[in-house]
Amino acid sequence: AQRVTQPEKLLSVFKGAPVELKCNYSYSGSPELFWYVQYSRQRLQLLLRHISRESIKGFTADLNKGETSFHLKKPFAQEEDSAMYYCALRYSSASKIIFGSGTRLSIRP
Amino acid sequence: GAVVSQHPSWVICKSGTSVKIECRSLDFQATTMFWYRQFPKQSLMLMATSNEGSKATYEQGVEKDKFLINHASLTLSTLTVTSAHPEDSSFYICSARKNPARGQGMNTEAFFGQGTRLTVV
Repeated sequence: AQRVTQPEKLLSVFKGAPVELKCNYSYSGSPELFWYVQYSRQRLQLLLRHISRESIKGFTADLNKGETSFHLKKPFAQEEDSAMYYCALRYSSASKIIFGSGTRLSIRP
Repeated sequence: GAVVSQHPSWVICKSGTSVKIECRSLDFQATTMFWYRQFPKQSLMLMATSNEGSKATYEQGVEKDKFLINHASLTLSTLTVTSAHPEDSSFYICSARKNPARGQGMNTEAFFGQGTRLTVV
């Protein structure tokens, strides 16, 4: 069965420190992975997708099929990065997107 | 940009009544929409896939007769919680997948509504 695992419920780092939000997935087919972000009192929005291989707001994520991981990284955290981050998997049979449990990132000044 | 709007944003209803939640794609067409449920401090759980002009596909464990989905047009899907009970109280979120342009792959971006908080008393 398809599954997305985010092991950390809360991650707290100081401003300027590196950030890594972990995500592992389980899917036998060819996955499409995403990171979504939800800022306080705002709706869920797409941060980045693995097929784009882009950097958004300084964040990057590389799909590692061998480790079935899609960790989100940023070299220098900023206070405005504080939010809830969800890793998500889309499996192509019906374009369904399933989510991990989410990690709350808190950046301390 | 693509916007998905849910209405209402919050609703309080009495136990035993039915509540309808609308999900509209305001500036794009969406053959496929998705309904999620989110409990406090938990992740989004996919409830069903709503397909324009056909029956919705429900995830395992989701009662079809309890959560009625209608996707009558390319810009509107509705979720009706029938005979609501306090345990149905939750945050319901819809997502609309933008119809691909000609020559574009099927896996286009999905956009999310702001959510509807349902409280059943």
